[in-house]
Amino acid sequence: EPEVTQTPSHQVTQMGQEVILRCVPISNHLYFYWYRQILGQKVEFLVSFYNNEISEKSEIFDDQFSVERPDGSNFTLKIRSTKLEDSAMYFCATGANVLTFGAGSRLTVL
Amino acid sequence: RKEVEQDPGPFNVPEGATVAFNCTYSNSASQSFFWYRQDCRKEPKLLMSVYSSGNEDGRFTAQLNRASQYISLLIRDSKLSDSATYLCVVATYTGRRALTFGSGTRLQVQP
Repeated sequence: EPEVTQTPSHQVTQMGQEVILRCVPISNHLYFYWYRQILGQKVEFLVSFYNNEISEKSEIFDDQFSVERPDGSNFTLKIRSTKLEDSAMYFCATGANVLTFGAGSRLTVL
Repeated sequence: RKEVEQDPGPFNVPEGATVAFNCTYSNSASQSFFWYRQDCRKEPKLLMSVYSSGNEDGRFTAQLNRASQYISLLIRDSKLSDSATYLCVVATYTGRRALTFGSGTRLQVQP
């Protein structure tokens, strides 16, 4: 049973469309993170979420991005108006020190 | 200077070889260090934490040199299944809990 489940595994969207990526993290974990990895590049931090609010975010996480925990279990990353350069693998992770990553959602923006 | 720097490789080694990867980090306030493994188009998975005293897990040995801000990973008796990208990861908890990843070192073990 995966500890962190992400959906969809792959999404193709047109530039300018809204995308929502979902994560179901390990129960009882307090810290949640979104990272992204552009193909061939390093894993980059986007945002961390603790106690139902953003605890820190990177310079990548601009106004186009938002995170929510709508129902106490799912953890979502929304991109309001996708750009070509948003094409990447998006990883959800949980953990206070050592992180456990989900399998990722591959986003392709055309 | 990059926050976490690694030789991208690839390191092409025969089965049974010993291979070593190095990593340097720029922030002297960094507190926790890890090696993660990432297979092609998969998520990073923790290989091992790195402690100041050095630590070993089977064929894998990690070392930390705080004075030189340098981390190493040694893999003995390489297996085909060790082929992957090895990510050096650093945590600096002063105002930020997020991990900083190196770009990774690719290892290809050949039969």
